[in-house]
Amino acid sequence: KNEVEQSPQNLTAQEGEFITINCSYSVGISALHWLQQHPGGGIVSLFMLSSGKKKHGRLIATINIQEKHSSLHITASHPRDSAVYICAVKTVNGGSQGNLIFGKGTKLSVKP
Amino acid sequence: DVKVTQSSRYLVKRTGEKVFLECVQDMDHENMFWYRQDPGLGLRLIYFSYDVKMKEKGDIPEGYSVSREKKERFSLILESASTNQTSMYLCASSAPWVTGRSMNTEAFFGQGTRLTVV
Repeated sequence: KNEVEQSPQNLTAQEGEFITINCSYSVGISALHWLQQHPGGGIVSLFMLSSGKKKHGRLIATINIQEKHSSLHITASHPRDSAVYICAVKTVNGGSQGNLIFGKGTKLSVKP
Repeated sequence: DVKVTQSSRYLVKRTGEKVFLECVQDMDHENMFWYRQDPGLGLRLIYFSYDVKMKEKGDIPEGYSVSREKKERFSLILESASTNQTSMYLCASSAPWVTGRSMNTEAFFGQGTRLTVV
């Protein structure tokens, strides 16, 4: 079983729809990252959070430490939001200092 | 404002060639990482370095080596490229685990190098 599970794997939405991507993890963590990867490969860090909720523009990330679950929400989705969204956790007892464990990503396509 | 720069976006190399992938960061980060990304497998750690001349094997180090002679530069070396090393390679950097100011730090990624070995 993977230590970080994302759902769904693929998501197609119409422009303007509210989108939710989920991430569940099975290890103790000190922080969780949401990353965005556009076609071509570059990765951008969207959020790093260890509790509660963060908001940046149309993006909202929440985390529930007790339930070991995080969600990424996109409001008023737009075709330029089309990308792969990756959840990554930093473990508290990571064997590799500062290493991250990654989910396999959610591929989002927003149609005009 | 580019923070992590990988030397090439696309590379095509022949089987058996020695391949160098270069990564430079301008944030004075101690930690640097090399990952490869394959469909269905996500991101997997190859090697990481927590200081100059220091390195640790990640999850899939076989067939790779690394060099960290200067703090800002972390090189991934494929000693003898093989077709199963065709992949997207991503470099990342971050501040140390414990900085005295924060226990948790954000990782910054390069744009990726898509390597094809023929």
